[in-house]
Amino acid sequence: TQLLEQSPQFLSIQEGENLTVYCNSSSVFSSLQWYRQEPGEGPVLLVTVVTGGEVKKLKRLTFQFGDARKDSSLHITAAQPGDTGLYLCAVPHNAGGTSYGKLTFGQGTILTVHP
Amino acid sequence: DTGVSQDPRHKITKRGQNVTFRCDPISEHNRLYWYRQTLGQGPEFLTYFQNEAQLEKSRLLSDRFSAERPKGSFSTLEIQRTEQGDSAMYLCASSRQGPDQPQHFGDGTRLSIL
Repeated sequence: TQLLEQSPQFLSIQEGENLTVYCNSSSVFSSLQWYRQEPGEGPVLLVTVVTGGEVKKLKRLTFQFGDARKDSSLHITAAQPGDTGLYLCAVPHNAGGTSYGKLTFGQGTILTVHP
Repeated sequence: DTGVSQDPRHKITKRGQNVTFRCDPISEHNRLYWYRQTLGQGPEFLTYFQNEAQLEKSRLLSDRFSAERPKGSFSTLEIQRTEQGDSAMYLCASSRQGPDQPQHFGDGTRLSIL
């Protein structure tokens, strides 16, 4: 059983469309991160959300952390071919204020935006 | 900030051979992580170091895998007697110590076992 379930697994859309990617869990997290990874490259951190209900915007990308801090969504407005990539959510392992360092990732959403 | 550097970028080897990968982290980062990623999946944690100390190893890290960070700077990951199932992208990341410190990833070493 995956700690983080991402959906959809694949998404193929036309340029200009909007989309939402989800990251769900039954566990509560102190924070959650979203990464974007292009083929042949390492993941690049987009955002960290910390507070339940928090909304962060990064240009055309809007990230939301669920009120109960169990889930998150990534919404892209007017998608462009440059948005193509693997979108990953991840949670760090913290307990009692101690950072244990490692990240657990979801399986990712592969987004393809066609011109 | 020159970023995390991994070498080689690609490695093709025959089953049963030993391979070694190197990771050079961002210089002021005292934490270094190794992950493994198969095609279309998220990275899976293998192990991490704080300075030269290896603080945690995943169950994924069988006896054939060993990682070192002898001087608390660069790290090596060695796989002995490689198997077909070892084919994957091996990613290194580094960060400062502390809660929610972002991890910066290298571009990985892609290992292909013939």
